Amino acid sequence: DVKVTQSSRYLVKRTGEKVFLECVQDMDHENMFWYRQDPGLGLRLIYFSYDVKMKEKGDIPEGYSVSREKKERFSLILESASTNQTSMYLCASSSRLRTGELFFGEGSRLTVL
Amino acid sequence: DAKTTQPPSMDCAEGRAANLPCNHSTISGNEYVYWYRQIHSQGPQYIIHGLKNNETNEMASLIITEDRKSSTLILPHATLRDTAVYYCIVRVLIGNTGNQFYFGTGTSLTVIP
Repeated sequence: DVKVTQSSRYLVKRTGEKVFLECVQDMDHENMFWYRQDPGLGLRLIYFSYDVKMKEKGDIPEGYSVSREKKERFSLILESASTNQTSMYLCASSSRLRTGELFFGEGSRLTVL
Repeated sequence: DAKTTQPPSMDCAEGRAANLPCNHSTISGNEYVYWYRQIHSQGPQYIIHGLKNNETNEMASLIITEDRKSSTLILPHATLRDTAVYYCIVRVLIGNTGNQFYFGTGTSLTVIP
C-alpha cells in the first residue's frame, strides 16, 4: 500500500519559533511537493523538488525553506513562524512518468499563536 | 494566474449524475488534466486523468472537449459519500524530470438525500 506520511497531524507553535514539517514517501518517487491549504484559496504550491538536493520555488515560497537530503524525505521549514502561517500543510509525491498521479499525505494542521 | 476555473459549489440529488465542469483555456498540448477530491480533514485523493480522449474508470468519467479548453467530471450515480471538494488540476511537465500540478480553488459538491 503506497504511502506518504507526514510527521505530525496537529502542531501548535509560538510566533518566532522554528518549525519543521517532515514528509516521507515509500514509492521511490522523484518529485515531492509542499502545499498549503486555506479556506477559499484552494491548494497553493510552496516548494517542490524533482530530485535529491534539488528544489524549486512554487507560488508562495516566502517565509519557507525546504530540504531534500534523501529521495524519500522532503522537509518544510518555517525559520520564524508567524501567525499568518497558520494553515493546513499537505505533502505530496509523484513519479516522473508523464501520467504519474500525485499521492498526498493526510496533512499537518499548524497553528501559530 | 489560475490555470483552472471551477464553480465554487454545486448540489446533486442522490442517485443522479453529478457533472462538474472545469475551464482550462490556457492548457498546452502536452499538459494533462487531473481530477482529485478531498473529503474534510483528509488529503486529496486521485479520481481520474486524461490528455485528449475521454476516460472512464470505476469511479468516474472524464469528458475533455476537442479544443481541450474545458472538461467535465461525471459521477454517474452520486451517493452521499461523494460529498466533497473536487479539484480540477493541470499537470505541467518541467524539462525531462519534473512536473508541477496546478490546483484551482475546487468545487464543493453536496449530494442531497
